[in-house]
Amino acid sequence: IAGITQAPTSQILAAGRRMTLRCTQDMRHNAMYWYRQDLGLGLRLIHYSNTAGTTGKGEVPDGYSVSRANTDDFPLTLASAVPSQTSVYFCASSDQFGQPQHFGDGTRLSIL
Amino acid sequence: QKEVEQDPGPLSVPEGAIVSLNCTYSNSAFQYFMWYRQYSRKGPELLMYTYSSGNKEDGRFTAQVDKSSKYISLFIRDSQPSDSATYLCAMYSGGSNYKLTFGKGTLLTVNP
Repeated sequence: IAGITQAPTSQILAAGRRMTLRCTQDMRHNAMYWYRQDLGLGLRLIHYSNTAGTTGKGEVPDGYSVSRANTDDFPLTLASAVPSQTSVYFCASSDQFGQPQHFGDGTRLSIL
Repeated sequence: QKEVEQDPGPLSVPEGAIVSLNCTYSNSAFQYFMWYRQYSRKGPELLMYTYSSGNKEDGRFTAQVDKSSKYISLFIRDSQPSDSATYLCAMYSGGSNYKLTFGKGTLLTVNP
């Protein structure tokens, strides 16, 4: 079934550790996005990529980095995790930049 | 004033009821409007996508956009327990402005 695969589905991480969240899509969508979802704050855009080889900052980019080496993969890296990065992280993609986005099922990350 | 306002609920209705979910927004540049459904521990799933003002119907779901009032609605007819989820509105202005702005979601429970 075509869609977005995120891994891991959940993770508990010690503060200060480095962590990469993986996202792969098989729809050949050009644009990809990373969001975090927090209770009371809704979905907030972290980083985006409108095509392979380019990335941009969203609303809450600090402490996160991304890369887009090819069309299908868009990993999100926390270089040195902090407790405030405890959240549910969603990867999304769209055929064209800004068009309706399709989401993965998320990674639940707890930083202790 | 927040860009998108959505009543968080929770909203509890009996099976078979007509449900009305709403969002208001302040940015008159928004032209594309979406409704997402999010089940517990899942990613948001695109439900309805509309452009500009007017109505769009898909089965038991009807999306309405009133740009003059900056108000969008999602109606669910003959609601079912399987409709129990969080409903998120989202919108963007299009063109070079990629940013998708989400409401914080309304939690709906349909009781059998």
